[in-house]
Amino acid sequence: AQSVTQLGSHVSVSEGALVLLRCNYSSSVPPYLFWYVQYPNQGLQLLLKYTTGATLVKGINGFEAEFKKSETSFHLTKPSAHMSDAAEYFCAVSVREYGNKLVFGAGTILRVKS
Amino acid sequence: GAVVSQHPSWVICKSGTSVKIECRSLDFQATTMFWYRQFPKQSLMLMATSNEGSKATYEQGVEKDKFLINHASLTLSTLTVTSAHPEDSSFYICSASLWAEAFFGQGTRLTVV
Repeated sequence: AQSVTQLGSHVSVSEGALVLLRCNYSSSVPPYLFWYVQYPNQGLQLLLKYTTGATLVKGINGFEAEFKKSETSFHLTKPSAHMSDAAEYFCAVSVREYGNKLVFGAGTILRVKS
Repeated sequence: GAVVSQHPSWVICKSGTSVKIECRSLDFQATTMFWYRQFPKQSLMLMATSNEGSKATYEQGVEKDKFLINHASLTLSTLTVTSAHPEDSSFYICSASLWAEAFFGQGTRLTVV
């Protein structure tokens, strides 16, 4: 079975500061890992994903994440926060099969202060 | 990327009535779609896996007779909340996978009064 733990339900950063959202996963088989962003009353938008290959993954809006197997982590970072980054972020894991389901973390609400 | 369209985006219904939510993959075929439920300030919880041409697979604790799922074609899955009650009020989101990526609908805000 897979599970995801997101450390910190709320993270607050100043505009221009580094964003770090933490995600640890548990999976008995090699995982696919995802980060999604959700704005109020909207669906989820994919920021980035790790499937195979390079462990440092770059996504949209300047976000990136690094898959660290030894630490079972997939932390999301952005060098410089923007006001428009304020949203809720979900880390998710799935197993490597077509059309499988995602298991989500509890989510982290990012607040960006001006 | 692929597009998944969910309709309606919001609905208000009276207690005891049924509500149908549609999830369509607009530019790809999806043999499998997923239905999630999200309570305020909480994460997404998988309700069921919708399989084209066969019965849906429900997660533990989800009432299959209350949340009817039909996946009659490769581009459409529907979720019907039957005999809705206020506790069914929630945000429902569908997704469809293309290769290793899941694409989500816009979500449906259901309010039962």
